[in-house]
Amino acid sequence: LAKTTQPISMDSYEGQEVNITCSHNNIATNDYITWYQQFPSQGPRFIIQGYKTKVTNEVASLFIPADRKSSTLSLPRVSLSDTAVYYCLVSNQGGKLIFGQGTELSVKP
Amino acid sequence: DGGITQSPKYLFRKEGQNVTLSCEQNLNHDAMYWYRQDPGQGLRLIYYSQIVNDFQKGDIAEGYSVSREKKESFPLTVTSAQKNPTAFYLCASSTLQGTGFGYEQYFGPGTRLTVT
Repeated sequence: LAKTTQPISMDSYEGQEVNITCSHNNIATNDYITWYQQFPSQGPRFIIQGYKTKVTNEVASLFIPADRKSSTLSLPRVSLSDTAVYYCLVSNQGGKLIFGQGTELSVKP
Repeated sequence: DGGITQSPKYLFRKEGQNVTLSCEQNLNHDAMYWYRQDPGQGLRLIYYSQIVNDFQKGDIAEGYSVSREKKESFPLTVTSAQKNPTAFYLCASSTLQGTGFGYEQYFGPGTRLTVT
């Protein structure tokens, strides 16, 4: 499974757009990219998943360049409640996920 | 309400005792997983099961055991052989049906185990 690298922490202010980039240089052809969000003392929650180009849902967008060696999670207009740890994962249909340390996002008023 | 339940939320045990953590899901998911999370760290896979009566070791299975007698249930036993059992334990499930490259995992609320 491809290893991912993402910033350990990021700070932002309410109302700003936040972009978290994840590197996955060794991603395989049948790997997909998934982002999870985790609040303290809770289980992670699925945010978005994609394979290539751009995916958008009601909470986030995921941008994946043509070479798929990186991806960017975009959170529009963050609020204090978006303060959490965000994990980028790559995996295939086998379902086995490897969670790195994630990015701790702190949103300030 | 569909989802995954884990009980209890907090669990305290003395060193040397085995303890079993409960995980139940009513999502009709085929696959279930157990993860361990230590402070400031990501999740690490302990065991997973894709079908009843079958399961596979994850990355840190030593000192743990599981069973999958029913599709809905996947209990984890932390044995006395586990050297550092104090951690936050998370159970998850996912479907293995349909098309696509990956299957979203749904997580339970977790059980925080403290062994002294």
